[in-house]
Amino acid sequence: AQSVTQLGSHVSVSEGALVLLRCNYSSSVPPYLFWYVQYPNQGLQLLLKYTSAATLVKGINGFEAEFKKSETSFHLTKPSAHMSDAAEYFCAVTTGSSNTGKLIFGQGTTLQVKP
Amino acid sequence: DVKVTQSSRYLVKRTGEKVFLECVQDMDHENMFWYRQDPGLGLRLIYFSYDVKMKEKGDIPEGYSVSREKKERFSLILESASTNQTSMYLCASSSSGTPGNTIYFGEGSWLTVV
Repeated sequence: AQSVTQLGSHVSVSEGALVLLRCNYSSSVPPYLFWYVQYPNQGLQLLLKYTSAATLVKGINGFEAEFKKSETSFHLTKPSAHMSDAAEYFCAVTTGSSNTGKLIFGQGTTLQVKP
Repeated sequence: DVKVTQSSRYLVKRTGEKVFLECVQDMDHENMFWYRQDPGLGLRLIYFSYDVKMKEKGDIPEGYSVSREKKERFSLILESASTNQTSMYLCASSSSGTPGNTIYFGEGSWLTVV
């Protein structure tokens, strides 16, 4: 069975500081990994995804994530936080054995950006 | 752009009422999903459908049913609403065939059961 663990339900950074949101997964087969962002009172928007190509994945809004198989991790980073990055972030996993592509989500991490 | 539309953003229903949450997608996607979102629990899959009239239970199907009579429309039904079903409900869709296809989400429906 697959699972996702996001370390830290709340992360607070200063504007301009590095953003690091942690995600570890468990999967017995090669995974496909996703990061979604949710702004207040909105649905989820895809930030980036890993689908077995390059291990360093670049997404929208300056975010990127690196797939590390040895660490079973897919941490999300951004070099310099902006106030508009304040939102909830979800890591999710699916596998190639699932033709429907249904996702298993982590618990979410709320990012606070302080001026 | 892919559009997943949830017809009701905010609903207040009474305990025991039958509740319908409607979702429509405009990209001819085969797969459609209903997730429930609760603080600290992330998103949990209630039901999904991979074709018209086809459905499968997700992780938390108890107290819910679904209907998919047309490809673009996927309805979530609460037969007898209870207060523990107060939550945010998210509909989503994706195309099938290729693992890792992006799942697109609607804006969400906030349901309060009193």
